[in-house]
Amino acid sequence: GAVVSQHPSRVICKSGTSVKIECRSLDFQATTMFWYRQFPKQSLMLMATSNEGSKATYEQGVEKDKFLINHASLTLSTLTVTSAHPEDSSFYICSARAWDRGQENTIYFGEGSWLTVV
Amino acid sequence: AQTVTQSQPEMSVQEAETVTLSCTYDTSENNYYLFWYKQPPSRQMILVIRQEAYKQQNATENRFSVNFQKAAKSFSLKISDSQLGDTAMYFCAFMRYAGGTSYGKLTFGQGTILTVHP
Repeated sequence: GAVVSQHPSRVICKSGTSVKIECRSLDFQATTMFWYRQFPKQSLMLMATSNEGSKATYEQGVEKDKFLINHASLTLSTLTVTSAHPEDSSFYICSARAWDRGQENTIYFGEGSWLTVV
Repeated sequence: AQTVTQSQPEMSVQEAETVTLSCTYDTSENNYYLFWYKQPPSRQMILVIRQEAYKQQNATENRFSVNFQKAAKSFSLKISDSQLGDTAMYFCAFMRYAGGTSYGKLTFGQGTILTVHP
């Protein structure tokens, strides 16, 4: 089946630095990807919709200058947390819609990335 | 905007018994998808079952079945013959049935932590 790969699975960075998380569709084209954030024992909250070749659409309350999203190809979206602070520590997970496989209603998730800011 | 509500923060069940997880949602849409996802401690999102709103027949997948009541906007998950491996957090999710770049965006409920006891 379709696979969405997310990297790195775990990252620790110092406060004030930036960190990039990649979300890659391995065997299908993903014109749209989604980035979610999840705090421990809580639900997934959509942060933004990543659109290939255009600007991302951010959900209300999400700082677009802090969470930079780039979707430069049909298989890769990246989330960069800029000037990270301890409160940005969380689990980040991406998903992609398998549009070109005749499975329009199928959403595939990456494995997620744990970010710890120290 | 859509909302999804899971009113059971935690549930427990004995191995081999049956348990039902509740989910209600609110939407003005007529066509949509509903999902149940399982999230084990690994945090990987695993699709359990999917229901298209236009289908009256309840979806089933082996030991998992749903009770979809469109008029009541209710979508419960029944797990039969519970197994220890079913222990996880379960999320109910809503997705609009429409085109455009927002298609694929999921709205999640708060989640229910299910523990299966031996």
